[in-house]
Amino acid sequence: NAGVTQTPKFQVLKTGQSMTLQCAQDMNHNSMYWYRQDPGMGLRLIYYSASEGTTDKGEVPNGYNVSRLNKREFSLRLESAAPSQTSVYFCASKPGTGNYGYTFGSGTRLTVV
Amino acid sequence: GQQVMQIPQYQHVQEGEDFTTYCNSSTTLSNIQWYKQRPGGHPVFLIQLVKSGEVKKQKRLTFQFGEAKKNSSLHITATQTTDVGTYFCAGDFGNEKLTFGTGTRLTIIP
Repeated sequence: NAGVTQTPKFQVLKTGQSMTLQCAQDMNHNSMYWYRQDPGMGLRLIYYSASEGTTDKGEVPNGYNVSRLNKREFSLRLESAAPSQTSVYFCASKPGTGNYGYTFGSGTRLTVV
Repeated sequence: GQQVMQIPQYQHVQEGEDFTTYCNSSTTLSNIQWYKQRPGGHPVFLIQLVKSGEVKKQKRLTFQFGEAKKNSSLHITATQTTDVGTYFCAGDFGNEKLTFGTGTRLTIIP
């Protein structure tokens, strides 16, 4: 039982390059989230998917797109990376609507040069 | 927007001393959650508080939710080196997404 798996763990991009961060959970959770973490700013929500087939913007969606491929997988795409997107990205999931704690993946450390 | 403020940003304590971090929201929360992140790690869920005035304990950790459901605290009694990390509160405003505080980084002086 792996929980939430994120790939890759590390990535260096040049400005303007694109990439997709992958996230998969094996807990049969309905809700999935993408957060970014920057020093001194806590975790900020980029996009979320309350259930399969739906996605919604969070606090900082600009420059990102997401795809809820199926119940297990929720990917985050950077179409044209910028240095301001240098951050640690965390995917998280929870069983569904209601009061549940989130399970986080181990993160992707992205550097844009 | 909906924000959750957390203080202090840093706390350095001698091993064996107590530690407290505080969270405050300007609007009523549906529930508040607490997470711990070890250096280089990912956030790990500790607990959730839902009821007004709720107090929960986990060994040396005590979590409180204010009567107005706008503030919360985490208190650690007699800190140990294993307590090192950043503690985050995260508020749910009833819209199925968590808003995280900026965290309190706890370091322990042996």
